[in-house]
Amino acid sequence: QQPVQSPQAVILREGEDAVINCSSSKALYSVHWYRQKHGEAPIFLMILLKGGEQKGHDKISASFNEKKQQSSLYLTASQLSYSGTYFCGTDDEGSSNTGKLIFGQGTTLQVKP
Amino acid sequence: GAGVSQSPSNKVTEKGKDVELRCDPISGHTALYWYRQSLGQGLEFLIYFQGNSAPDKSGLPSDRFSAERTGGSVSTLTIQRTQQEDSAVYLCASSVSGGGTDTQYFGPGTRLTVL
Repeated sequence: QQPVQSPQAVILREGEDAVINCSSSKALYSVHWYRQKHGEAPIFLMILLKGGEQKGHDKISASFNEKKQQSSLYLTASQLSYSGTYFCGTDDEGSSNTGKLIFGQGTTLQVKP
Repeated sequence: GAGVSQSPSNKVTEKGKDVELRCDPISGHTALYWYRQSLGQGLEFLIYFQGNSAPDKSGLPSDRFSAERTGGSVSTLTIQRTQQEDSAVYLCASSVSGGGTDTQYFGPGTRLTVL
């Protein structure tokens, strides 16, 4: 089932913070976060694993809630380069752990000077 | 090193024609994924290859879609009798070994337009 991302769009000034949420109806084995700029391939940002481990970007952080059904991506002191569409891809707990990701519909982030 | 490459970058075809899209994964990556991204939408899983195992085809939208992976490396996605609703960007990704903890690296995509 497709995860739901919120908000759908965010406009920030440089230096401001943002939080993007990704919610699923199922407990998740992992959540993968990607950023995509217009006309480009999605770029990996971070993986969150149900055991609490994180792999990824040192300027971006993320968390799982207790039930492992929601992840939040934290962008602090945003830069112009943070602009793009952010996608979460989820791997349901109990799946065959194939890495087959179900992606949310995306959150468009625009950082203005 | 070289990333995931896809060809062609753009493909315009007429309704009813067949098309082939190619993906070259990162060398040494055993897992390969195809996704589709329609205009303004998220990524939709199509098919997954892992080593010599049978592919997971659960995301293919119809039997007009098929894919193969030769020699555990290059993959071709074939769409037969294309329809206008097939217009989208087709993205390929690869990862070291598959699995939910592996990073997937995406190629630049092939933009397919069906007239």
